[in-house]
Amino acid sequence: GAGVSQSPRYKVAKRGQDVALRCDPISGHVSLFWYQQALGQGPEFLTYFQNEAQLDKSGLPSDRFFAERPEGSVSTLKIQRTQQEDSAVYLCASSFRRGRAEDEQYFGPGTRLTVT
Amino acid sequence: AQSVTQLGSHVSVSEGALVLLRCNYSSSVPPYLFWYVQYPNQGLQLLLKYTTGATLVKGINGFEAEFKKSETSFHLTKPSAHMSDAAEYFCAVRIASGGSYIPTFGRGTSLIVHP
Repeated sequence: GAGVSQSPRYKVAKRGQDVALRCDPISGHVSLFWYQQALGQGPEFLTYFQNEAQLDKSGLPSDRFFAERPEGSVSTLKIQRTQQEDSAVYLCASSFRRGRAEDEQYFGPGTRLTVT
Repeated sequence: AQSVTQLGSHVSVSEGALVLLRCNYSSSVPPYLFWYVQYPNQGLQLLLKYTTGATLVKGINGFEAEFKKSETSFHLTKPSAHMSDAAEYFCAVRIASGGSYIPTFGRGTSLIVHP
């Protein structure tokens, strides 16, 4: 595909439900990032993958959040037992090389999660 | 730890007027600095970045920014605003962390352009 895609674009979950958010990065991109963007805020880092290896998960807010990228391409962010404070836009970004600060990150359109 | 402060959550300008969006950062090591634009219901798009070298960097859509180490600033400017520039703008800083460079974003500035 031409860019990073995310699905679903919108998700409404009842409190306590589990959700899974998908990210399809640009083909061949090594690095993949997940961010959480609360309303009126900037994106906040959640976790980082280099190929299939999760090198940094320091931003995950609780053990209810889990991310994987088993084959080094598609990634899934799973949130268990959703809470209202999980309501946010979840952004995925990919970049071509590994661990280079100057590399451009290409962002997907995000998944807007609303927990009721 | 690094941080980014964007002064002004909203900036309003007339079409054709100068755009100035402010960004100040704190970092204990030389930073990499970025500006992104976000249109409604879309992801972030890179406008420009500073890594090393020339402190005045030019980006897309006529935007530019100047890295001023003494002022720890990286303000974004455009000489003449266009209606299509109305969007949310984010400043970000990246430093090394655990094998990659994790960005820290500011809270964003909403640019409003009126005729």
